[in-house]
Amino acid sequence: EAGVAQSPRYKIIEKRQSVAFWCNPISGHATLYWYQQILGQGPKLLIQFQNNGVVDDSQLPKDRFSAERLKGVDSTLKIQPAKLEDSAVYLCASSLKVHSGNTIYFGEGSWLTVV
Amino acid sequence: KQEVTQIPAALSVPEGENLVLNCSFTDSAIYNLQWFRQDPGKGLTSLLLIQSSQREQTSGRLNASLDKSSGRSTLYIAASQPGDSATYLCAVKGEIVGGAQKLVFGQGTRLTINP
Repeated sequence: EAGVAQSPRYKIIEKRQSVAFWCNPISGHATLYWYQQILGQGPKLLIQFQNNGVVDDSQLPKDRFSAERLKGVDSTLKIQPAKLEDSAVYLCASSLKVHSGNTIYFGEGSWLTVV
Repeated sequence: KQEVTQIPAALSVPEGENLVLNCSFTDSAIYNLQWFRQDPGKGLTSLLLIQSSQREQTSGRLNASLDKSSGRSTLYIAASQPGDSATYLCAVKGEIVGGAQKLVFGQGTRLTINP
């Protein structure tokens, strides 16, 4: 079974530039998550989708971050304009359903450095 | 607001020792608790998932316990090996609130097994 795919793996941009990350969840998984993990910290949820609808985006900095999940499969996370403090790993994860005891599966992450 | 704490932040032990990693959470109204492993430069790999009605789960040399009433979980690793070196994160899934169900992570314990 293929895992959660993410790209690009690494990105270096200057502050005020924009960047986009792509995620393809495990086939059949209705729930998709984007997490931000700053070095030395645990992951923090940015946004959670159920199919193509947003379930929770309470911690997404909406002035600069946006995410979409068209057709309920792939998702993109965009940052515009980037700030130095956005340097982090952006992890995409998926699970079968939102409200369940199912395991959450993570991709390998997209590493962002803002200089 | 759920808060998850992992102690210690880092641990170094000789190969072959049995060890315990600790995780505590402030709100006992949880849905489940999951332990993950994160290798440098990689995403998170699920190790064990304990439902709120369960007391423990075992997989190979790993055993995770859950005590909801005291807000604690432990991950026991038997006969540690250098390949166990990684960061271990626990994450608590809360009850459904407003249609969403948050997964809150601890900061992780960085484990080093010395040959």
